Amino acid sequence: SQQGEEDPQALSIQEGENATMNCSYKTSINNLQWYRQNSGRGLVHLILIRSNEREKHSGRLRVTLDTSKKSSSLLITASRAADTASYFCATDAGGSGGSNYKLTFGKGTLLTVNP
Amino acid sequence: DTGVSQDPRHKITKRGQNVTFRCDPISEHNRLYWYRQTLGQGPEFLTYFQNEAQLEKSRLLSDRFSAERPKGSFSTLEIQRTEQGDSAMYLCASSFDLVGLEAFFGQGTRLTVV
Repeated sequence: SQQGEEDPQALSIQEGENATMNCSYKTSINNLQWYRQNSGRGLVHLILIRSNEREKHSGRLRVTLDTSKKSSSLLITASRAADTASYFCATDAGGSGGSNYKLTFGKGTLLTVNP
Repeated sequence: DTGVSQDPRHKITKRGQNVTFRCDPISEHNRLYWYRQTLGQGPEFLTYFQNEAQLEKSRLLSDRFSAERPKGSFSTLEIQRTEQGDSAMYLCASSFDLVGLEAFFGQGTRLTVV
């Protein structure tokens, strides 16, 4: 079953604009990660935010996490055509014996950046 | 290239045939995962290895599926008597547990069952 749910399902913007994608999840988590996937390719890890963190930056990416609302957002600033891809949030809810080993992905947001 | 490597990248097979995929993780990673992704969906967890031990299998992994990781290095995923519903992208990932679950994914093997 898929815990994370990204919103919107699809987003189309012009180059230079900012893109914001949201993710909601259902159970408590240890951390939340965002991945990018170009069409037909593997996933590229973008950023990991731990449950005790509220905001994290990496280059043009900004991720926020609100554990009380069970939601996260990914902001891509000054978007480029090369940012066109599907973006997935993945939650790690931990497992037996406290070991973290399984990610649960949402369905993703398809971002199109028009030149 | 020191990333996660998967082979083959594409596989077309007839229904009922057996297929085997290979994954070579990042060499120092002791965790290895298999996920399956169908069109328009996010990846779904199939199974997980810590070194050579297979510690969990998803209910998605029917008895036609078997995964191995001999010697804790590369892993194979075999599907016996393939069905059209097995058509999907099979993704392998690896991680090093001391840095949490920052998993690195391979390019995937796209399976088409005709």
